[in-house]
Amino acid sequence: DTGVSQDPRHKITKRGQNVTFRCDPISEHNRLYWYRQTLGQGPEFLTYFQNEAQLEKSRLLSDRFSAERPKGSFSTLEIQRTEQGDSAMYLCASSPYLGDSSSPLHFGNGTRLTVT
Amino acid sequence: GNSVTQMEGPVTLSEEAFLTINCTYTATGYPSLFWYVQYPGEGLQLLLKATKADDKGSNKGFEATYRKETTSFHLEKGSVQVSDSAVYFCARTGNQFYFGTGTSLTVIP
Repeated sequence: DTGVSQDPRHKITKRGQNVTFRCDPISEHNRLYWYRQTLGQGPEFLTYFQNEAQLEKSRLLSDRFSAERPKGSFSTLEIQRTEQGDSAMYLCASSPYLGDSSSPLHFGNGTRLTVT
Repeated sequence: GNSVTQMEGPVTLSEEAFLTINCTYTATGYPSLFWYVQYPGEGLQLLLKATKADDKGSNKGFEATYRKETTSFHLEKGSVQVSDSAVYFCARTGNQFYFGTGTSLTVIP
């Protein structure tokens, strides 16, 4: 299976702890996106990379959130000092950017974070 | 602004009924438009797309036409099945992908 892979599937943590999620995109895809989804809402953009460069980060994103894609392959999303409001499904997606906007996103199954 | 507005759900239909889920967008320029589907317990999957005005995307009996004049991309299916029960998301491109809030569809036998 060469789809987008996310790890872990579920994470339960106590308020104030740090958590890190990993995403492995489809191997030939140069763009990687992180989104967050809460119940009854659509995916909310967090950040995206083209290769190893982080091109955009949501202005709504707290400084407690950071993402990396050091070698242009897998990516990690870290949340420091978690809060209950961070509880959500964190989605990773990748796409083969070809210079236009026609390439769709391919999503992983997400990491569900619960902050107690 | 840059946004996608979807018809609010939930929508409940009987099997073989006609489905329409409305989607309109605001954007500068001419984005590509997409419908994604999320089945229970699964990730988002691409259902169909259209990349320019008057294009029609189609897949699994679903269709949507890119209407520039009305900035719309309504999803339709002539005869729904129980297996179509899912949440449907309209999306458009920009610097990143912008998604609507989703429309939950339940098809009853």
